[in-house]
Amino acid sequence: EVQLVESGGGLVQPGGSLRLSCAASGFSVSTYWMSWVRQAPGKGLEWVANIKQDGSEKHYVDSVKGRFTISRDNAKNSLYLQMNSLRAEDTAVYYCRASSMVWGQGTLVTVSS
Amino acid sequence: DIQMTQSPSSLSASVGDRVTITCRASQGISNYLAWFQQKPGKAPKSLIYAASSLQSGVPSKFSGSGSGTDFTLTISSLQPEDFATYYCQQYNSYPQTFGQGTKLEIK
Repeated sequence: EVQLVESGGGLVQPGGSLRLSCAASGFSVSTYWMSWVRQAPGKGLEWVANIKQDGSEKHYVDSVKGRFTISRDNAKNSLYLQMNSLRAEDTAVYYCRASSMVWGQGTLVTVSS
Repeated sequence: DIQMTQSPSSLSASVGDRVTITCRASQGISNYLAWFQQKPGKAPKSLIYAASSLQSGVPSKFSGSGSGTDFTLTISSLQPEDFATYYCQQYNSYPQTFGQGTKLEIK
């Protein structure tokens, strides 16, 4: 079964850090651009970042540039998002996605004191 | 940034109806457009890529069309499981951007 499973979400204080992971099964992530997309409570979808198959290109939405870093490990069939200097407005469910094809189930990140 | 505007924002329809959702880009995006379906509390599901190509496993009742700035998603013969929120997303340029969503409700 083709699947993406995120982990690493949780409650963190403003200014803190979290690292999200996304493990793929049933297919190889090495073939695809991989993305992170988030959804704040009760809001729509927001693209956050993506990374090329070999990691040579990375793109970010302006609101996370300099704070978030996307990375991948094709040997481990996994995608990551390092989130630093977290703000209340980063509170959301974070989804990983392979191309525009497969979505994970999401992991909730809550930034609050 | 490219703005994606969906219309309508909400839509009431009956089982068996055919509905069309429109997505307009603030500038041309060729056919770099995808459509997604999301049910409450669930992850989005991919429906269409490249404006009109159906993702594997998606029933043919879903169809997409358009190019440039104007796109449509059509769902024929609505069934109870089709009532959800639908999003378009452009991937022509960065940042990739989503429409605000169209909530399809049962009349």
